[in-house]
Amino acid sequence: SYEVTQPPSVSVSPGQTASITCSGDKLGHKYVCWYLQKSGQSPVLVIYEDYKRPSGIPERFSGANSGNTATLTISGTQAMDEADYYCQAWDRSSVIFGGGTKLTVL
Amino acid sequence: QLHLEESGPGLVKPSETLSLTCTVSGASVNNNTFFWGWIRQPPGKGLEWIGNIYYSGSTYYTPSLKSRVTISADTSKNQFSLKLTSVTAADTAVYYCARHYQQHLDYWGQGTLVTVSS
Repeated sequence: SYEVTQPPSVSVSPGQTASITCSGDKLGHKYVCWYLQKSGQSPVLVIYEDYKRPSGIPERFSGANSGNTATLTISGTQAMDEADYYCQAWDRSSVIFGGGTKLTVL
Repeated sequence: QLHLEESGPGLVKPSETLSLTCTVSGASVNNNTFFWGWIRQPPGKGLEWIGNIYYSGSTYYTPSLKSRVTISADTSKNQFSLKLTSVTAADTAVYYCARHYQQHLDYWGQGTLVTVSS
């Protein structure tokens, strides 16, 4: 079955740029989306179809997908961005989640 | 505004069947644009997709749970449901319902914790 892999944790200083990767075989041939999940809350969609932002998501969130890697980039990271981030792909009518990345804003 | 709300027992005994319902307001489960699905998250762990249902009644399940899962819909009540049989402690999780639009999940319920314990 298809799998996508994320680093367990990423740290960033306030105001800097955070990058979270999601890797999978020929992932660039699939659409990838990203969710953030704050402690005790439901996941929230922040990027879909590789780079599109839903209404209400700040412009500092951006996405890209090419080759075997998709990347979520948070520019000018704020303390409120500290959360778990999950990538998700779609393979053979199944939803595939990455294991999640804990973003710490130091 | 779309709203999804999970409901069902918070405690299920081992070997019994877990049953949850998701009530949808602000959209119709009978709409041919969307799928409606279930996702779970064991305490302290990541998200696991369980499956989904289309307005036609077609269902898709994750292979690891396929033998134990049934997702159904009641269009008259604008609800869809999850049944998971023969549960064990490993099925303890927060269960979310969500709307699938194309290849992403754009609206989620608040989640409900189900504990499997005698």
